[in-house]
Amino acid sequence: EAQVTQNPRYLITVTGKKLTVTCSQNMNHEYMSWYRQDPGLGLRQIYYSMNVEVTDKGDVPEGYKVSRKEKRNFPLILESPSPNQTSLYFCASSMGENTGELFFGEGSRLTVL
Amino acid sequence: GESVGLHLPTLSVQEGDNSIINCAYSNSASDYFIWYKQESGKGPQFIIDIRSNMDKRQGQRVTVLLNKTVKHLSLQIAATQPGDSAVYFCAEINQGGKLIFGQGTELSVKP
Repeated sequence: EAQVTQNPRYLITVTGKKLTVTCSQNMNHEYMSWYRQDPGLGLRQIYYSMNVEVTDKGDVPEGYKVSRKEKRNFPLILESPSPNQTSLYFCASSMGENTGELFFGEGSRLTVL
Repeated sequence: GESVGLHLPTLSVQEGDNSIINCAYSNSASDYFIWYKQESGKGPQFIIDIRSNMDKRQGQRVTVLLNKTVKHLSLQIAATQPGDSAVYFCAEINQGGKLIFGQGTELSVKP
């Protein structure tokens, strides 16, 4: 089954404790992206990657890092989480950047105390 | 800056009726639009897309209409079912190839 898998689905952590949200896709997609979803602000892009070892900032990259060492994986790293990073995070993938058909993961709800 | 947004944050329809969800965009050069559905507790799911060389495109029980003159698109759902209850987002691919999402309309289907 074609899917995008994120882990963890839910996490409560404390300010400053480094965490990683993993994302893996099994569709051999070149393009992967991270979004955060907040009430009233919709989906905002954090980082994206057009292929292995190629990553770029989205609209709200501050406080986040990503890496793309393999085609299937695109982890999101919060080196020092802060309460304003409390949000619902989605990983997505597609064949390429210019296609509108993104495949989204189920989401990771992060709470930073 | 460019934006894409929906007219109404919520919409309530009776089961079996047709639903129409509207969206407006600001950039007249935009040429590719997409509709997503997000059910509670899940990620957005692609429904249908349309390019600016078309006025209408149909899928299974869904139709997207594009009016370039007034920069408006709509998603029509025929014979709305309880399983259609979700938040619907319109989105566009801008000239830089970036996907921009609107705010979303929450559709509630009354039995």
